[in-house]
Amino acid sequence: GENVEQHPSTLSVQEGDSAVIKCTYSDSASNYFPWYKQELGKRPQLIIDIRSNVGEKKDQRIAVTLNKTAKHFSLHITETQPEDSAVYFCARVGGGSYIPTFGRGTSLIVHP
Amino acid sequence: DAGITQSPRHKVTETGTPVTLRCHQTENHRYMYWYRQDPGHGLRLIHYSYGVKDTDKGEVSDGYSVSRSKTEDFLLTLESATSSQTSVYFCAISETQGSTEAFFGQGTRLTVV
Repeated sequence: GENVEQHPSTLSVQEGDSAVIKCTYSDSASNYFPWYKQELGKRPQLIIDIRSNVGEKKDQRIAVTLNKTAKHFSLHITETQPEDSAVYFCARVGGGSYIPTFGRGTSLIVHP
Repeated sequence: DAGITQSPRHKVTETGTPVTLRCHQTENHRYMYWYRQDPGHGLRLIHYSYGVKDTDKGEVSDGYSVSRSKTEDFLLTLESATSSQTSVYFCAISETQGSTEAFFGQGTRLTVV
């Protein structure tokens, strides 16, 4: 199948701490892994993505790592700030389907 | 933001009535999707389209139908609304087959009473 498992469902951290969200997928032919951030009452928006030929990608305070052998990928946010509070969704695309399949989301709460 | 708009933004309807939600894009993207978002379930695919008049079912398609008569418009119809269809509905578009960003509309909050 093309399921995506995402953990944890809720993550609470203090401002300045790091946050890590993990996702696993089942379709080994998946080749594109985007991460979306959804602020309260808003639409999901892409914050970073990684393709299967790359193991890690960074963009300022956020980074994504991919382990194709283990079929998991993770989002890392360093030096968290209150404005990072949102729901984060991982997704996978590729293989037998070009349609984005999403994880169930992680609600990140950053306490000032 | 990508040119994608949903209408209406909010709707309250009665059980048993038909409801149509509209997604309109100005990006000329080929692929369009309807998702529903519910607490604890994330974003679940209802239907998708890969071209004009080309549509297919997603994982939660029962009770829904879609149509795409023009590239820019993708309509989602609840044939006979039920309380279980109370949800936030998102339309999304993408340009090519996989490996590209999906852009989301603002969402439609539908309440079935």
